[in-house]
Amino acid sequence: DAKTTQPPSMDCAEGRAANLPCNHSTISGNEYVYWYRQIHSQGPQYIIHGLKNNETNEMASLIITEDRKSSTLILPHATLRDTAVYYCIVGEGGGADGLTFGKGTHLIIQP
Amino acid sequence: DTEVTQTPKHLVMGMTNKKSLKCEQHMGHRAMYWYKQKAKKPPELMFVYSYEKLSINESVPSRFSPECPNSSLLNLHLHALQPEDSALYLCASSQVGQGVHSPLHFGNGTRLTVT
Repeated sequence: DAKTTQPPSMDCAEGRAANLPCNHSTISGNEYVYWYRQIHSQGPQYIIHGLKNNETNEMASLIITEDRKSSTLILPHATLRDTAVYYCIVGEGGGADGLTFGKGTHLIIQP
Repeated sequence: DTEVTQTPKHLVMGMTNKKSLKCEQHMGHRAMYWYKQKAKKPPELMFVYSYEKLSINESVPSRFSPECPNSSLLNLHLHALQPEDSALYLCASSQVGQGVHSPLHFGNGTRLTVT
């Protein structure tokens, strides 16, 4: 069963903020939210992760709702190179359990 | 360029061939993973090695045989594959340990075509 739900595709204008939503209503207390992206013909690339607090790094910001049932990945100033499939994944992390990818969101940045 | 190197980048093999995919990382990671990705689908976990021991096998057919000869190398031996096994095979690595939330570092994969 899918642990996360994401829109299949989204468009965003270059230079604008891209906001990618993810629903994870069955997340358990010890599960983290991870975001990865996959640019065409490349392997997935880690973006950011969080437990319950909002997180920011050089690539993106992660906003997690207080009930932890959904989150939003924000790319503050999207560029054409941000066109990719973005995967929202929940998992306990820590151990070598691997991650289960859902279908992701294909984000297309328009010039 | 990624810190996880996979070779070859492309491989075409017949159903009776034996071939191997190789993966190498020098980040000191003690967990290594094989994923399979069909076109326009998300990656699917196949195997996980933790401290050079196989810890997860996601019910993968025996025609796929993983091997972890040391902490830096991961192989996937292929034998008697079927055309439906054609896919992108991705290797990843991560740190492992209680309280460690290490992201997975992926290679760019081997594009396998079975004829």
